[in-house]
Amino acid sequence: QQQVKQSPQSLIVQKGGISIINCAYENTAFDYFPWYQQFPGKGPALLIAIRPDVSEKKEGRFTISFNKSAKQFSLHIMDSQPGDSATYFCAASKNSGTYKYIFGTGTRLKVLA
Amino acid sequence: DSGVTQTPKHLITATGQRVTLRCSPRSGDLSVYWYQQSLDQGLQFLIQYYNGEERAKGNILERFSAQQFPDLHSELNLSSLELGDSALYFCASSGTAGTGKIYFGEGSWLTVV
Repeated sequence: QQQVKQSPQSLIVQKGGISIINCAYENTAFDYFPWYQQFPGKGPALLIAIRPDVSEKKEGRFTISFNKSAKQFSLHIMDSQPGDSATYFCAASKNSGTYKYIFGTGTRLKVLA
Repeated sequence: DSGVTQTPKHLITATGQRVTLRCSPRSGDLSVYWYQQSLDQGLQFLIQYYNGEERAKGNILERFSAQQFPDLHSELNLSSLELGDSALYFCASSGTAGTGKIYFGEGSWLTVV
């Protein structure tokens, strides 16, 4: 019940295309869902996050769509650029005063120029 | 740059040895988290400290321990090292409770030979 399942494992997109990464969770107590971007040799960096009281959040080219009833959320990267090539992790946590994230297994995105 | 500083960046040690990884959180952040990233286990939460006190525990082995000092820096001690402990160890920090945002350092890469 603590797992967060992420797909696909890897993704290749043409420049200008839309990249879509999906995550599913089981624990309905989760109430915070961030996405992290990790470049090789670097730590994960917070990209965008959502709480379950909204169905969508957009920041620039990045959008999270959240489906509470299906217990799924996804990251959409519009107008994907080669500089977006990185590994993306979804995560979930319970707001219990600690952010003990459960991370997905990661999606390696490659955007072709 | 997240503002979280980790040392050393790379470490090679032999099985059975003990190592200490050090983390300085972002200025003003009271919470420190330790995560382990390996190929087979992904990103796993190990432990969290808040203002010197242990706040949450994850999949941390008994051979591992951590502490947070009065100046808020933290150390992760790994002992009786095994080959399987080879991984990237991340420290992260967060400040104001409730934001959900945690900021990762660039990691300490541990290789056990």
